This record gives sequence, C-alpha cells and structure tokens, in this order.
Amino acid sequence: GNSVTQMEGPVTLSEEAFLTINCTYTATGYPSLFWYVQYPGEGLQLLLKATKADDKGSNKGFEATYRKETTSFHLEKGSVQVSDSAVYFCALSGSGTASKLTFGTGTRLQVTL
Amino acid sequence: NAGVTQTPKFQVLKTGQSMTLQCAQDMNHEYMSWYRQDPGMGLRLIHYSVGAGITDQGEVPNGYNVSRSTTEDFPLRLLSAAPSQTSVYFCASSSPSGGHTGELFFGEGSRLTVL
Repeated sequence: GNSVTQMEGPVTLSEEAFLTINCTYTATGYPSLFWYVQYPGEGLQLLLKATKADDKGSNKGFEATYRKETTSFHLEKGSVQVSDSAVYFCALSGSGTASKLTFGTGTRLQVTL
Repeated sequence: NAGVTQTPKFQVLKTGQSMTLQCAQDMNHEYMSWYRQDPGMGLRLIHYSVGAGITDQGEVPNGYNVSRSTTEDFPLRLLSAAPSQTSVYFCASSSPSGGHTGELFFGEGSRLTVL
C-alpha cells in the first residue's frame, strides 16, 4: 500500500535560516504529491503540490521537487520567518483517488527570533 | 466564504455515549471525507464519499458510521464512544478535477474527548 515517511520534529530554526523537511514515499503507479500546512488551532491547508515526476511545486517561498528516482518530495525554504511556525504534512494521492490522501506523521517547525 | 464547516468544535463524552459530528460544505464538491489526527500518527482516513448516496470505508472505519444524503452534508456518527476515539477529527472536501490532483479543503477540526 501507499505510505509517506517524514523526518521527525520538532525542527527549531532561527529566523532567516534555511529549511529542509525530508519526505519520502512508497506508492504504486504515479501518485500526486502534496505539502499541507497546519497553523495552530486551524485545519490543514494546501501549501504546494506536484503531479508528475520532475515537477516543482512552489508557494509562499516554499518549494518541493517530485523526484521519482529517489521517491522523495523534500520541502525547502531559503529564509524562514516566525510566521512559518506550523506543522507540515507530506501527503500523496494515488491514481483515481482524489478524495483519499495518505499523510505522513507531520513535522513541527518552530522559528525563533 | 464558509468553505467546510464542522460542529461542534469541542465535545466531551462518556464511554458508551453516542454523538454525531456535523460537516457541511458550500463549494458543491463531490468528494467528502473524514480524517482523525492523533499525535505521532498524522491523519488517518475514516470514511469517504464520492457523491450523494455513496460512501466507503477508509483506513480506520471501526466504530464510526457515515451517510451522504446530500452533496453538502457528511455527518460522522459514533454509536458507542470509546476512549480510543479521543482525537481531533477533520472533515475535508474536494472536487475531482484532473483525476487524482484534487486539492482537499479542510474544516477547522472537532476535538473529541471520551472519558
């Protein structure tokens, strides 16, 4: 079956530091890959997505590239802000399963001044 | 711009009690789903629906019932609550655009404690 593995947190960074959150996946076929973000007390919201190999998703300074050869979708940001403090979830959806996502366990990011 | 609305936001139950978590969306999305979020386990799919009158089980369906009589509503029922059902529950909806590339829109969550 499908699975997603994320690096464990929490990740604590100083403002303006570089961020990488690792994500690898196992899936049959050609899944779509997503990063969702959950701010304190809120539901999840889509941060970025990629639907095929070598696609790069980007939003709000965050980027992730769909690497089929390494089955990875690592999240990066060049300069984090305090407002980026949240929990980040990597997820995938298999072919024909738009309503069903498989999520990783989430990585908490704490950015300090 | 309501999106996905869940009620209640907080609920405390005693073991054996029943309750319904309500979920409504105003985006005319065909797909709706329920997830539970537990520490260290991410989100796990409970039940989902691809349209009115159609429901199916997800990864952790035991102890939960759902129905989908309208496009807008997708309630989750706990018939006999157990402490293992203490969790945060999220309802989500999506449109099947582009096959498997649909974005999920989440509600704000319902925190349930079973004593």
